[in-house]
Order: sequence, then C-alpha cells, then structure tokens
Amino acid sequence: EVQLVQSGAEVKKPGESLKISCKGSGYSFTSYWIGWVRQMPGKGLEWMGIIYPGDSDTRYSPSFQGQVTISADKSISTAYLQWSSLKASDTAMYYCARHLSYGDPVDYWGQGTLVTVSS
Amino acid sequence: NFMLTQPHSVSESPGKTVTISCTRSSGSIASNYVQWYQQRPGSAPTTVIYEDNQRPSGVPDRFSGSIDSSSNSASLTISGLKTEDEADYYCQSYDSSLWVFGGGTKLTVL
Repeated sequence: EVQLVQSGAEVKKPGESLKISCKGSGYSFTSYWIGWVRQMPGKGLEWMGIIYPGDSDTRYSPSFQGQVTISADKSISTAYLQWSSLKASDTAMYYCARHLSYGDPVDYWGQGTLVTVSS
Repeated sequence: NFMLTQPHSVSESPGKTVTISCTRSSGSIASNYVQWYQQRPGSAPTTVIYEDNQRPSGVPDRFSGSIDSSSNSASLTISGLKTEDEADYYCQSYDSSLWVFGGGTKLTVL
C-alpha cells in the first residue's frame, strides 16, 4: 500500500528554523516526484516546488524560491521541506504529494503537517 | 507565468447538475493537462479528474471534465449531486517551470 506519512504538527517562534518530513512507503521512492503544497488558514492550495529523489532534481515556484529548501534522503525514502528563519506568515498546513512525472497529476497525498509560527 | 481563475462559490440542490469553470489567463488551456482536486473540510485533497477528462478508479462517473479552447477554460461537471459532494474543488495545470492551482471553488449542496 502506497503511503506518504508526514511529520507531526509544529509550533515555532518567528526566526526559528524548521524541517518537516514526508516518508514514502509501498513504492519505489526514487521513481516518483514529491511536491510540496501550502494551504494557509482558510485559503487555497499553493504549489511550492518539487523534487525527484532519484537524482535530486528540484524545482521551485518563484513565490517560494529562496524562502524554503526542498530536499530528499533516498536512503530512508524521505523528503523534506525546511525553513531557516520562520515568519508568522509561514503558519499553514503543508502537504506533500506524489506524482509520476512533472506533468502527471498527484496520485497520493500526505496527511498534512500543520505549522504554527507565533511569538 | 499564468493564472487559473475559478468562481469563488457555487451552490445547487441534491440531484441536480453543477459545472465549475477554470479559466487560464495566458497560454492555451489545451497545451497542458488540467487536473481537478476535491478537498473536504479537514482533509487532504484527492484527485477527481486528471488529464482533462480522466477519472481515477473509485471516482463515480457523476464526475466529468472537459476543456474548451474557445474560452480557454476547463470545466468540472458533477451530475446527480449528493450532499457528500459538498467540498472545495481546485483545478490545476502547469507549464515548463511551475504548477499552478486555481483559487478553489466552494460547492454547497443544499
């Protein structure tokens, strides 16, 4: 059974760093892209970027380039989304999502990780 | 870059048919596939239509998708509405450098 299991909710202060994870199982982790999607409270879905764990090819939305870092460790079938200095505006639900190739639709979603940034 | 514009909300009665539009701001709607995702409150999204008009297994045939090059838009049509269809629906497409989601449409079935 294909699963994407994300790390648990986080509560952080502005300026702190954070790395959340998305562990894939039940499939060949290096053969599918993993994307990250942000959903701010009460708002819509925003595409942040994607990574191909097979060769670490990574692409970012211009809106998120330089704001976050997407990475993957294929030895443990896990993708990451990290911030070096959180802002209150980073408060959101973050979803990871699997798709076969860049132009293919998402076929599996993680359950989401809620990040709350508050002083 | 381009945008995908959806109506903010639609409502319809059970048993009726509703259509949600998704208009591409620049570039041809036919140049890249359009997907549709359903998101119920408190849940992750799920795919209801992919590649313009294909349904994943498990999605009822009440859901259908199409594109119209003349209006540069895609549409999601749900027939025989059920209360369980009440959700947010997002269209999504892409170009060579990024994916784009529409702003989402809240479907109310009342």
